Amino acid sequence: AQRVTQPEKLLSVFKGAPVELKCNYSYSGSPELFWYVQYSRQRLQLLLRHISRESIKGFTADLNKGETSFHLKKPFAQEEDSAMYYCALQDNYGQNFVFGPGTRLSVLP
Amino acid sequence: DAGVTQSPTHLIKTRGQQVTLRCSPKSGHDTVSWYQQALGQGPQFIFQYYEEEERQRGNFPDRFSGHQFPNYSSELNVNALLLGDSALYLCASSLAKELYGYTFGSGTRLTVV
Repeated sequence: AQRVTQPEKLLSVFKGAPVELKCNYSYSGSPELFWYVQYSRQRLQLLLRHISRESIKGFTADLNKGETSFHLKKPFAQEEDSAMYYCALQDNYGQNFVFGPGTRLSVLP
Repeated sequence: DAGVTQSPTHLIKTRGQQVTLRCSPKSGHDTVSWYQQALGQGPQFIFQYYEEEERQRGNFPDRFSGHQFPNYSSELNVNALLLGDSALYLCASSLAKELYGYTFGSGTRLTVV
């Protein structure tokens, strides 16, 4: 069965500190992995996807198939990074997403 | 481009009633997906519509039904509402030939009392 877990409900870090949001998944095939972000009072929006190997707003994520993980990292957190972050996988047919429960990142001044 | 628009933004219904939520996809998109996001949880897939047919369905009872119109807009209907149906309902649109380009709406907050 497809499943995404995010072990931390809340993660608090100080501005300038490194941040890592954890994500693990279970899927029988080769999924596509994504990170979505929801800032306060805004809609859910795509942050990055592993297939494009991009860095958005300083965030990167590496797919580790051996550990079935897709952790989100940023070397120096900014206050504007405070938001709700969701890890998601999409099946091979590019249809529905399976979302994790989300991690609320709070960057303290 | 207004992106994905959903109506209404908020709704209060009584247990046992029926509700219809509406979604207009982003211009150029032909596929609409619906998600339920309960408080404190991630979105859960309800179903997806393409070419006016339900293409895929998540683990939701038959009380949840939908429709897609020729202009690609969509409706989500929920019958016999339960207190547990209270949630934020998200609509996402995409283009079928571009597998991974989802755009989400702001959602409809449904409260069942």
